[in-house]
Amino acid sequence: DQQVKQNSPSLSVQEGRISILNCDYTNSMFDYFLWYKKYPAEGPTFLISISSIKDKNEDGRFTVFLNKSAKHLSLHIVPSQPGDSAVYFCAASGAENSGAGSYQLTFGKGTKLSVIP
Amino acid sequence: NAGVMQNPRHLVRRRGQEARLRCSPMKGHSHVYWYRQLPEEGLKFMVYLQKENIIDESGMPKERFSAEFPKEGPSILRIQQVVRGDSAAYFCASSQSQGRGNEQYFGPGTRLTVT
Repeated sequence: DQQVKQNSPSLSVQEGRISILNCDYTNSMFDYFLWYKKYPAEGPTFLISISSIKDKNEDGRFTVFLNKSAKHLSLHIVPSQPGDSAVYFCAASGAENSGAGSYQLTFGKGTKLSVIP
Repeated sequence: NAGVMQNPRHLVRRRGQEARLRCSPMKGHSHVYWYRQLPEEGLKFMVYLQKENIIDESGMPKERFSAEFPKEGPSILRIQQVVRGDSAAYFCASSQSQGRGNEQYFGPGTRLTVT
């Protein structure tokens, strides 16, 4: 039973345009959400996160939006650059004081983003 | 300032052999997490260890898999009598304290292939 779903295995975007990566979750106990970026033969690298008390978090070209009622989040990259080409994983964890929920990350299957020059 | 180190990066084992995967956490980190990524899947939590203690092994298969994090040396994930289904990428992460996701730093992974 997949608790974090990324329904688009791949996405191609022209350089300079916006990339939008989507993620849905089913577990209501999740209250912290993260995006990781992964290049081939490397480990995941943390990109940006959002707590459930917010609906938006911005860091430079990256913005994450959270819609709790829809159990949906998205990552926007503007403008997209060729170096952004990678696999992006959405992940979720529970509350800080939820014991195992706070440190066990639940990942989606990833979306492969290709930014075309 | 070295990050999380894992070795070997690639490991090939025949069915029935043992696989030993090593993880050296970042300097100053005493919390280690192991995740497994099967082909075409996301990473899945396996086990959480602190020095000399297994804190949570709820994600570990019940048989053939074990993990340790001794007082000295790296954390070891051990898979006995490997089967083809064990072929996957195994990632280790470390943190300074019991951390939420962005405080976990991942290593480059060990790609295990069982022939």
